[in-house]
Amino acid sequence: DVKVTQSSRYLVKRTGEKVFLECVQDMDHENMFWYRQDPGLGLRLIYFSYDVKMKEKGDIPEGYSVSREKKERFSLILESASTNQTSMYLCASRTGSANTGELFFGEGSRLTVL
Amino acid sequence: GENVEQHPSTLSVQEGDSAVIKCTYSDSASNYFPWYKQELGKRPQLIIDIRSNVGEKKDQRIAVTLNKTAKHFSLHITETQPEDSAVYFCAARDAGNMLTFGGGTRLMVKP
Repeated sequence: DVKVTQSSRYLVKRTGEKVFLECVQDMDHENMFWYRQDPGLGLRLIYFSYDVKMKEKGDIPEGYSVSREKKERFSLILESASTNQTSMYLCASRTGSANTGELFFGEGSRLTVL
Repeated sequence: GENVEQHPSTLSVQEGDSAVIKCTYSDSASNYFPWYKQELGKRPQLIIDIRSNVGEKKDQRIAVTLNKTAKHFSLHITETQPEDSAVYFCAARDAGNMLTFGGGTRLMVKP
């Protein structure tokens, strides 16, 4: 059974704090993604990675960075959290085959920045 | 880049009725159109998808139609049940293999 695990379901941080959101997948997928989910805006892509140590900007990368040191782990970093980064963050993974488009999501990390 | 618009944002139906959610996309090169369902507090999960070489696909009570000329695709749920209540997201994958999601539709099925 496929599994994408996000380290924290709920976090509360203060403005200016550094925040780490971690994601681990056990499916040996090449591709990993970080999305932000806000009501009415759907899922917006922050960053993605096609391989270890590789990263690409998505649609809304400002204020975020990522790290992929191992194939199974993809971390999202907020260097200095701001209130407008309060949101639900979803990690996802996908096999590298172009014919298989299914994304497997984690359960999400709800971040509140005070 | 690709732009996906989804309507309506909320939809309330009576149990047993049908529900239709519509999406439009902008990039004519997009070739894969999945639908994800997210139940309250749960992760989004793929429920059905359609590729650009097919006009319609069915899976039990759900179906998806695609009109490439008009660049729109729709999700149809027949005989709705309370467990169909969820947020539904459409998406389009462009030639660069990137998915763009619509804004989501909150479907409420009233018993």
